[in-house]
Amino acid sequence: GQQLNQSPQSMFIQEGEDVSMNCTSSSIFNTWLWYKQDPGEGPVLLIALYKAGELTSNGRLTAQFGITRKDSFLNISASIPSDVGIYFCAGQLRFSGTALIFGKGTTLSVSS
Amino acid sequence: DVKVTQSSRYLVKRTGEKVFLECVQDMDHENMFWYRQDPGLGLRLIYFSYDVKMKEKGDIPEGYSVSREKKERFSLILESASTNQTSMYLCASSTTGGRKTQYFGPGTRLLVL
Repeated sequence: GQQLNQSPQSMFIQEGEDVSMNCTSSSIFNTWLWYKQDPGEGPVLLIALYKAGELTSNGRLTAQFGITRKDSFLNISASIPSDVGIYFCAGQLRFSGTALIFGKGTTLSVSS
Repeated sequence: DVKVTQSSRYLVKRTGEKVFLECVQDMDHENMFWYRQDPGLGLRLIYFSYDVKMKEKGDIPEGYSVSREKKERFSLILESASTNQTSMYLCASSTTGGRKTQYFGPGTRLLVL
């Protein structure tokens, strides 16, 4: 099936640094979702985006739905140790049914 | 608060056993999904259901079946477990409205020996 290109695959940062990750596709999406997964747990929804150009924040997290509808980014400001985990993007294709397409995830490591 | 629960967090089964994984959601969602997650492969859709007794194959349905007898419950069945079905299994649910945000359960880590 189709996949999203999520980058970077992994990041190693110092506590306090800002983080940026993104997802791109050649297809047009009408929904972008960002999830975080802690080890051994299920993904937890962080931010949902439904309109092109939409910029949404959730605490230190900010995500944007790209104007072209083919990409999205997630920024984390002033990272802390509990930000460690895997971040996934997911999107719903325009004119598609129910299923989402997932990126392969960005693994974030934060050293204090 | 949205809630998706899975019957077991960890399971150990033997090759050839029949395995049932249960998922329950309390959000009155129409859609429910089963994924498996493996390192380097991401989340892969096994089956989903858009209504009671209705199901659709996902990307990797071979070796699995599903059952949805009640709206809130979606079961994944491994008819004869094999070692290559050792994985993390994740259940999710969503509405059928325009905003099809999926909410996930905590996952079941299955080991087939």
